[in-house]
Amino acid sequence: AQSVTQLDSQVPVFEEAPVELRCNYSSSVSVYLFWYVQYPNQGLQLLLKYLSGSTLVKGINGFEAEFNKSQTSFHLRKPSVHISDTAEYFCAVRSGGYQKVTFGTGTKLQVIP
Amino acid sequence: DSGVTQTPKHLITATGQRVTLRCSPRSGDLSVYWYQQSLDQGLQFLIQYYNGEERAKGNILERFSAQQFPDLHSELNLSSLELGDSALYFCASSVGGGGANTGELFFGEGSRLTVL
Repeated sequence: AQSVTQLDSQVPVFEEAPVELRCNYSSSVSVYLFWYVQYPNQGLQLLLKYLSGSTLVKGINGFEAEFNKSQTSFHLRKPSVHISDTAEYFCAVRSGGYQKVTFGTGTKLQVIP
Repeated sequence: DSGVTQTPKHLITATGQRVTLRCSPRSGDLSVYWYQQSLDQGLQFLIQYYNGEERAKGNILERFSAQQFPDLHSELNLSSLELGDSALYFCASSVGGGGANTGELFFGEGSRLTVL
């Protein structure tokens, strides 16, 4: 079975400060990992994905994430956040052979001016 | 615009009623997924269809059912509605259902269901 844990339900951060949103996953097989962002009153959209290869993945809007197999983590980072980054961020996992994509409970990022 | 279309965007109904939510996937996508998003449960996977056939099932209640039609659009039927069914229902699509499917999903904007 696969699962995703996002320990932080809310993360407040000042504008232009760095941020890290944490994600840990559980799976017994190889994984595909994703971060999605949901802006208010919108659907989810893909921020970045790890399929294979380089463990550092760059996404849209200046976000990046690092796949760490030994720690089963896929933390999302941005060196300097903007007000427009205020949204909810979801980590997701799909394990090889499984059809369904499992989402974490989400982390609300609140950027403070 | 993800290319995934969901209707209706908003729906208000009473307990005990039945509703149907509709989803048109992106052009060329064969897989359709349904998710329920509520404040207390987060984003819950309900069911997945690939080219008309059910492929995976999640936490879908027996009162709920879904199908995918030959033109690949999908419908989620919710019956005997309860107050707790109030939620945002998302449809997502992806390219394939097997090895070609890496899991990247394209989401619609959701159907907000309010049960009074």
